[in-house]
Amino acid sequence: KQEVTQIPAALSVPEGENLVLNCSFTDSAIYNLQWFRQDPGKGLTSLLLIQSSQREQTSGRLNASLDKSSGRSTLYIAASQPGDSATYLCAVRGSYIPTFGRGTSLIVHP
Amino acid sequence: EPEVTQTPSHQVTQMGQEVILRCVPISNHLYFYWYRQILGQKVEFLVSFYNNEISEKSEIFDDQFSVERPDGSNFTLKIRSTKLEDSAMYFCASTRMQGNAPTEQYFGPGTRLTVT
Repeated sequence: KQEVTQIPAALSVPEGENLVLNCSFTDSAIYNLQWFRQDPGKGLTSLLLIQSSQREQTSGRLNASLDKSSGRSTLYIAASQPGDSATYLCAVRGSYIPTFGRGTSLIVHP
Repeated sequence: EPEVTQTPSHQVTQMGQEVILRCVPISNHLYFYWYRQILGQKVEFLVSFYNNEISEKSEIFDDQFSVERPDGSNFTLKIRSTKLEDSAMYFCASTRMQGNAPTEQYFGPGTRLTVT
């Protein structure tokens, strides 16, 4: 059974900091790993998808890396802004049901 | 930009009643999902649907649940006899296929189900 863990559970930082959010998974036989953002009471917005053959993906201030062999992914957020405040979720997809982590709740204060 | 839509946004029902939650996936997507998120908890997979049949289902998806694609656009989740513990946000998602593997999941805004 796949287990996905996200560390830290919560993070509060001042605006402008560079951040690293961590996601680890127990079964490395994945098709892909996807990072999402969830605002309170809302749906999930896709941020980045990394296929199993890829090492990283970038979109604007976001960069996600994947190390399948160690079962880890990191989401790097550069120059954080108050609008980045949300919960960040990672989800892995493989030869088993899609599995989400509990998320990292991020607050960026001005 | 195409998006997944869900109706209703909020459904209140009494325990024991049947509910149907509706989703319209992105039009060229072939793989569909239902998830639920109980307040304050993580997103949990319920079921996936591909080629007009269930592809995978979790332990949560028992005989009280069913899914259907009644026409070329809608994808529905039915709960036959709701329980209090079914109260949650229900999300629909869809993906296209790349080769034999599903790709990026796109989520709808969710239906908040409240069972009283």
